[in-house]
Formats: sequence, C-alpha cells, structure tokens
Amino acid sequence: NAGVTQTPKFQVLKTGQSMTLQCAQDMNHEYMSWYRQDPGMGLRLIHYSVGAGITDQGEVPNGYNVSRSTTEDFPLRLLSAAPSQTSVYFCASSSLPTSGRPEQYFGPGTRLTVT
Amino acid sequence: AQSVTQPDIHITVSEGASLELRCNYSYGATPYLFWYVQSPGQGLQLLLKYFSGDTLVQGIKGFEAEFKRSQSSFNLRKPSVHWSDAAEYFCAVLNNNDMRFGAGTRLTVKP
Repeated sequence: NAGVTQTPKFQVLKTGQSMTLQCAQDMNHEYMSWYRQDPGMGLRLIHYSVGAGITDQGEVPNGYNVSRSTTEDFPLRLLSAAPSQTSVYFCASSSLPTSGRPEQYFGPGTRLTVT
Repeated sequence: AQSVTQPDIHITVSEGASLELRCNYSYGATPYLFWYVQSPGQGLQLLLKYFSGDTLVQGIKGFEAEFKRSQSSFNLRKPSVHWSDAAEYFCAVLNNNDMRFGAGTRLTVKP
C-alpha cells in the first residue's frame, strides 16, 4: 500500500514551458486535491476532485488545469509556467467530506522552480 | 470569506515546558478541524483531527487539541515539549470540499 505518490520530486522549468505533475493513490479515495506551499502562506488549495470526471477550483486555480479520468490518478498541468508558480506542490487524497471522517493523506511533494 | 488564522508565526519554548499553539477560523458552520506537523523539507503528518463529538481530542506524539465553538478556536497543546517537536505546525479547516490552512507556526525548542 503506497498511499499517495507524486512524481517528479524536483523539476526546473523555463518560463512558458508546460509540464504535468503526477499524483496517484491506491486507497480508493474519491476526494483528491492539489495544494501549493509558499513560505509564510501555508498550503493553498489549487483544485480538487470528488470523483472520476468531477473537478472544481480551489482558492488559487489560475494557471493550472486538472482532470480526473480514474479514481487513482489526479494530474496537475501547468500550461505555460511562470516564475510565480515556483513552489512546493502537494497532492492529497481522502474519503469524501460527506463521509463524516475525511482524513487527508498527503504525498511527499514536488519542488518546482520556474526560471 | 472563510479563513484560518494562526496568530503566532514563531514560538520558542524550553524543552520540558508546556506548549499551546493557537488557531482560529471563520466559518458559518462547524467545519472539520485538523493539525499537521511538517519538519524541514518533509511532507505533512497528521497530528490530530476533530470531526464531531468530544471537543477534546487526543493525537499522536502526546499532542491534544480542544475545539471551542464559542471562540471558533482549535488550539493545540502539549504538556511537555521534546527537542524533536521542533517543526512547523499547521492548523487546517475543511468546510464542504474546501480545505484551508493557516500560515503556520514555527516551533523552536531550547535545550
């Protein structure tokens, strides 16, 4: 049982490049989410999904796209990277908030630098 | 707008002393409440959570937190701090599908 996995661990991009951060979970969780962590700001929700085919925006969605074609996978796409997207990105999964016990499990993070 | 506030950016305590980290939130209803800990360069580890019921919850590593509805607070406590508790602590609130984190409190432990 691997929990939540993220790849890559580190990535350097040039401004304007695109890339996809991968996230997978093997706990059959319906709720998955992406956060970015910046110094002094805690974690901020980018996008979330409550099941395959269903996604929604969080607090800071601009510049990011997501899709959810399977229960296990929830990739985050940067279509045109900007220096402001330099951050550490965390993926998380849990049972649905409506389940009454939505304990989130976090992946190890991806450190992204945009030059 | 919903928000989570951790008023203390940095706290220093002596090893063996008690600890209280503050967390306040602004939501209309009672959300789900969490405390996470993060060591430098690491991911987040869940310390404890409140979903419903008893307002005093016990977590791992000897931590506890008390939910006070009247104060919209969920403060984290530990009676005796160990040097290994030095880390950053985040309070988080889940309301519907929206998870919000506080900015964090960095804990330094003096020998």
